[in-house]
Amino acid sequence: NAGVTQTPKFQVLKTGQSMTLQCAQDMNHEYMSWYRQDPGMGLRLIHYSVGAGITDQGEVPNGYNVSRSTTEDFPLRLLSAAPSQTSVYFCASSYEYQETQYFGPGTRLLVL
Amino acid sequence: SQQGEEDPQALSIQEGENATMNCSYKTSINNLQWYRQNSGRGLVHLILIRSNEREKHSGRLRVTLDTSKKSSSLLITASRAADTASYFCATVESGYSTLTFGKGTMLLVSP
Repeated sequence: NAGVTQTPKFQVLKTGQSMTLQCAQDMNHEYMSWYRQDPGMGLRLIHYSVGAGITDQGEVPNGYNVSRSTTEDFPLRLLSAAPSQTSVYFCASSYEYQETQYFGPGTRLLVL
Repeated sequence: SQQGEEDPQALSIQEGENATMNCSYKTSINNLQWYRQNSGRGLVHLILIRSNEREKHSGRLRVTLDTSKKSSSLLITASRAADTASYFCATVESGYSTLTFGKGTMLLVSP
């Protein structure tokens, strides 16, 4: 049981480039979410999904896109990377939105 | 915006001492959760306390919830160096389907 996995672990992008951060879980959880963590800011919710085919915006959705075609996968797309998107990104999943969240190890992203 | 606010921002203690961290929030909640994050790692769930509960225990952890004061505390008894981490509270506001995190308390436990 791998839990929540994220790839890549580290990524360096140039301004304007696009990329996809991968997130997968093998716990059959319906709820998945993406957070970004910046120094002194705690975790802020980017997008979340309550099940396959259903996504919604969180607190800081601008510049990010998500889709949920399967229960297992919840990729996060950066459409045109900006230095302000330099951060650590965490994916999480849970049985229900208000229950225990299981976090992945994170992706460190640097945008130059 | 952040719902929970942890206090203190940083705490430094010796091994064997107790560590107490507090969390205040602004609106009605369904539950409050505490998470730990070791440096450079993902968050790990510690305890979930529901709005109709006042106290919960898990090993050396004790969490209290006072909904009238909109506050919670996390007590770690007999701290160990391995407890060094950042601790976050997170709330689920009534009527919402998302979890909102505070900015965290950095705990340093010295041998």
